[in-house]
This record gives sequence, C-alpha cells and structure tokens, in this order.
Amino acid sequence: DAGVIQSPRHEVTEMGQEVTLRCKPISGHDYLFWYRQTMMRGLELLIYFNNNVPIDDSGMPEDRFSAKMPNASFSTLKIQPSEPRDSAVYFCASSRTGGSDIQYFGAGTRLSVL
Amino acid sequence: DAKTTQPNSMESNEEEPVHLPCNHSTISGTDYIHWYRQLPSQGPEYVIHGLTSNVNNRMASLAIAEDRKSSTLILHRATLRDAAVYYCILRTGGYQKVTFGTGTKLQVIP
Repeated sequence: DAGVIQSPRHEVTEMGQEVTLRCKPISGHDYLFWYRQTMMRGLELLIYFNNNVPIDDSGMPEDRFSAKMPNASFSTLKIQPSEPRDSAVYFCASSRTGGSDIQYFGAGTRLSVL
Repeated sequence: DAKTTQPNSMESNEEEPVHLPCNHSTISGTDYIHWYRQLPSQGPEYVIHGLTSNVNNRMASLAIAEDRKSSTLILHRATLRDAAVYYCILRTGGYQKVTFGTGTKLQVIP
C-alpha cells in the first residue's frame, strides 16, 4: 500500500487567499484525522472522521477552517481566508476499526502564509 | 485524556541500548500505552503499544510497570536513524481521539 498521501507537500500563499490541503487515506481505513503541528503548540488534532462523517471537530481553531470527506478515499482541509498564524505543518492520518487504534500518518503539508 | 510525562531530551551513543521513560500515573484500566516517533521532516510513525504485559516487535520493546503508572521504550541498539522525537500516548480502547505531548527528542551520537 502507498500509505497516506498528502498534497501538496509545500504550499506558500499570501494572507487572505484560500488554501486547500488534500489527503488520500490508506484503502480500507475508516478513520481519518487532520492534525496541525507548530513549534509553539506541538501536534494538535483538528478534526477526525469515521466512515466519512465528522465525529469531533472541537480542535478546529475557527470558522476559517473547514474539512470535508466526500468519499472514503479523499478528504480536504480548507482555510479561507488564510492568515500568517496558520503557517504550520498539517498532517493527515488514517486508521481502521480493529486495527489496534494505530494511526498511519502522511508526510505532511508545510504551509507558509505570507 | 490521561497525561503522560516524558523527559524533553535524551542522548545515546550509537549501537548502545536506549531506555526512554514515560510516566502516566493517572492511567485508567482501559488505557493502552502507545509509542510513536517522528523523524525529522516526516509524519509520526507507530512504534509499539501494550496494555499490561511487556511487548516486543522488530522496532523496539515496551516494558510496562506492574502498577502501569510508568513504561519504558527500549531500543536495543540505537542507530543514527533512530534520532527522532518519541511520543508516549495513552489510548482508551476504541476511542480514537488522542493527545500528543511534547515527547522526548533522542539524539544519537556516532
């Protein structure tokens, strides 16, 4: 299996622009997670889905952030409008029911908002 | 979430064993102990997990104290590729939400 695939790997944008991060989970996994990592706050869970349904979005920082999972093989995290403080590495992870709750992470998207 | 406490950093010589400690004094009976590591510029990767008994896999060993209030991740022979941040996490069985702490940054000295 190719693992969790995230795109793009790097994104540089200007403040106020819309940013869309993409994730393809491992085939057969029914849980998908979005995390954000910064030096100040470490690795934070933003939202997670089960069978394409958002279960807990309490980590989403504000209304500028939204996440969707239209099908089992694709998810997006959108920031609109972006701000410099959104600069971070965003990770997607997936896991499967009965898989000992092990999460498999993608390589991440490094976002820089200028 | 129950909390874990880890040293901020540790050093090890290459090819020596490394013992990474984790305290979790508020662990509940249904909490599994998971370890992940994050290599530079990569996403976290699963290392090992256990509930009560010691566990071994190809990457590492996990030693769990009898009272389960602490655990130790053991790398039997550290290599330069083991230099990473190691996270100790408690997972309530079947509950997906986890909290990553600050972890232990392991430096391996050639």
